[in-house]
Amino acid sequence: GAGVSQSPSNKVTEKGKDVELRCDPISGHTALYWYRQSLGQGLEFLIYFQGNSAPDKSGLPSDRFSAERTGGSVSTLTIQRTQQEDSAVYLCASSGGTGGMQPQHFGDGTRLSIL
Amino acid sequence: GNSVTQMEGPVTLSEEAFLTINCTYTATGYPSLFWYVQYPGEGLQLLLKATKADDKGSNKGFEATYRKETTSFHLEKGSVQVSDSAVYFCALIDTSYGKLTFGQGTILTVHP
Repeated sequence: GAGVSQSPSNKVTEKGKDVELRCDPISGHTALYWYRQSLGQGLEFLIYFQGNSAPDKSGLPSDRFSAERTGGSVSTLTIQRTQQEDSAVYLCASSGGTGGMQPQHFGDGTRLSIL
Repeated sequence: GNSVTQMEGPVTLSEEAFLTINCTYTATGYPSLFWYVQYPGEGLQLLLKATKADDKGSNKGFEATYRKETTSFHLEKGSVQVSDSAVYFCALIDTSYGKLTFGQGTILTVHP
C-alpha cells in the first residue's frame, strides 16, 4: 500500500485477555519498528526487525510482550494477560534502510484500552 | 544511553508569531536528528531532518540546524499559522541500526 497500515485502529479489552496488533509496512521496506506512546512515558521504542529477525528487543517491557514478522513483511505484536498499564497507542514504522539515511514512516497506530 | 530533551510545553502563540522549540540531545557518536509532527487525529509525520553537524533541515517554513558544539537541534518558524497546531517531537537515530529516541513532545497551539 501507499503507507504503513495498522489494525485494528482501536481495541478495547478486559484485563487479563490477550491481544494481537498488526502492522503492514510499506512494500519493500526491510526495517520495521514498534513504538508505544503513552501518557507520562512519551514515545518508547519496543522492538526492531530487519527482515524477519529481531536484532533488538530491548524495549519490550515484560515477557508478556512478543512480536514476530513473517515473509519480511507483516508484523504482529502480541500482549498476553493484558494489564491496565498496557493501555497506550502502539505505533509501527517501516524504513527502506537502517541508520539515519532512510526516514521511518509511521502508521496511524492502534489505540489499546484495557478495562 | 541516548536521550533527547525538549522544552516544556504547552506552547500557545498567536498567528504570525515566531516559534522556537528547544531540543538538546545526549548521544555517543554522531546521530542523525529529526523533528516529527503529530497533527490532531493523525499519525506521526517526518517534518525535517539533519544528518551531520551544521546541516540545516527545512520543510513547510520550519527550520532546524544541527549544532554539534551545543548538542542542540532547535525548531524555528518565522510566522506560525493556526494549521501548525500539533505535537512536535525531537528525535535522534543511533546510526548503527536506526532506533529512534524521542523527546517528550511539545504541544503547540496557535490562535487566530
